[in-house]
Amino acid sequence: RKEVEQDPGPFNVPEGATVAFNCTYSNSASQSFFWYRQDCRKEPKLLMSVYSSGNEDGRFTAQLNRASQYISLLIRDSKLSDSATYLCVVSAETSYDKVIFGPGTSLSVIP
Amino acid sequence: DAGITQSPRHKVTETGTPVTLRCHQTENHRYMYWYRQDPGHGLRLIHYSYGVKDTDKGEVSDGYSVSRSKTEDFLLTLESATSSQTSVYFCAISEPGQVLYEQYFGPGTRLTVT
Repeated sequence: RKEVEQDPGPFNVPEGATVAFNCTYSNSASQSFFWYRQDCRKEPKLLMSVYSSGNEDGRFTAQLNRASQYISLLIRDSKLSDSATYLCVVSAETSYDKVIFGPGTSLSVIP
Repeated sequence: DAGITQSPRHKVTETGTPVTLRCHQTENHRYMYWYRQDPGHGLRLIHYSYGVKDTDKGEVSDGYSVSRSKTEDFLLTLESATSSQTSVYFCAISEPGQVLYEQYFGPGTRLTVT
């Protein structure tokens, strides 16, 4: 089993739709969780950190389920500018200074 | 945006030649990382540094070496480039003391080894 797995893409959704991405991780000792977005031929950029109680930032909501080793990202009211690849990132075991990147899920928001 | 630059941004080199990539930060962050990104593999850690002259290997360190003589600079060297090292290389930084060790990335270097 890969350390971090994500929904296979691509996701093609119309503007205004709600879309959810899922991510599972294998190491139960992982402590830090993030979602990054990466535009084509650009660097990854931190979208949001994921806290145990879940957190929201505008149209984006992240949830963490430690028991199931599962992270989710919900995007409401999708915009064309949300088109990107979304990377799930998990800390490596109990080593806060290293992280493992998932392969990413591609999202295309269609007019 | 975090103050991270990478140079060169693009490079084409021949098999067997040495190549050095530079990462420069103005954030005074303690941790610096080198990753490579390839289709089908995502981002993989090559080496990282947790302070000046303190470095450690990542999961794909074979064929690469690093040096960090100043807080702001982290160099990645391919001693003898091979075609399998054709990739996009990203530098990242983070700062201990921030609970979640969020990482911030440079713009990347596209390296082609012919």
